[in-house]
Amino acid sequence: AQKITQTQPGMFVQEKEAVTLDCTYDTSDQSYGLFWYKQPSSGEMIFLIYQGSYDEQNATEGRYSLNFQKARKSANLVISASQLGDSAMYFCAMREGLYGGFKTIFGAGTRLFVKA
Amino acid sequence: DTEVTQTPKHLVMGMTNKKSLKCEQHMGHRAMYWYKQKAKKPPELMFVYSYEKLSINESVPSRFSPECPNSSLLNLHLHALQPEDSALYLCASSQVRTSGRAINEQFFGPGTRLTVL
Repeated sequence: AQKITQTQPGMFVQEKEAVTLDCTYDTSDQSYGLFWYKQPSSGEMIFLIYQGSYDEQNATEGRYSLNFQKARKSANLVISASQLGDSAMYFCAMREGLYGGFKTIFGAGTRLFVKA
Repeated sequence: DTEVTQTPKHLVMGMTNKKSLKCEQHMGHRAMYWYKQKAKKPPELMFVYSYEKLSINESVPSRFSPECPNSSLLNLHLHALQPEDSALYLCASSQVRTSGRAINEQFFGPGTRLTVL
């Protein structure tokens, strides 16, 4: 069965520093997609970054990068140059299958606090 | 237009009431989702519609009744809810990819905060 594990309930980071949020996953499928979402206190889930299981390079989107280590089944999110607006809950998620799959499971989340 | 809208933002209802949550998107997405999220927990999938047909029902109690009247709209009809149904209800939409690089990320609405008294 699929499983996503985020072991850091809360993280603190100083403004302008980089931070890594951990995510490990478990699946028996060879094809899957990994996602990171940000949820501010307002409630809306914001898509940040995606990594496909066959992608050879780590995904990057602006200040966000995904450190994908397939053999270790880890997909850590790295946020560079943290900003106060980055304070939010961050969810790692996985969808089995690359084409047309709908079922996405989420990890428990990590609450990030950015200090001025 | 790259957003998903949800109404109402907040809803308080009694256990005997009937109410509906509405979700709308104009991105041409053909998959739409309902999630339930309790405080400090991740979202839990409830229903998925693909091309206006119910594709996934995650064993949700019948007091929740989804409806997809067209490709842009998704409703969740509520009847005889229990206090434990109080939660944030999130709607999402995504493309349905059958080939190519299927990123298929979901776009979420701001949610409806439901309180059942």
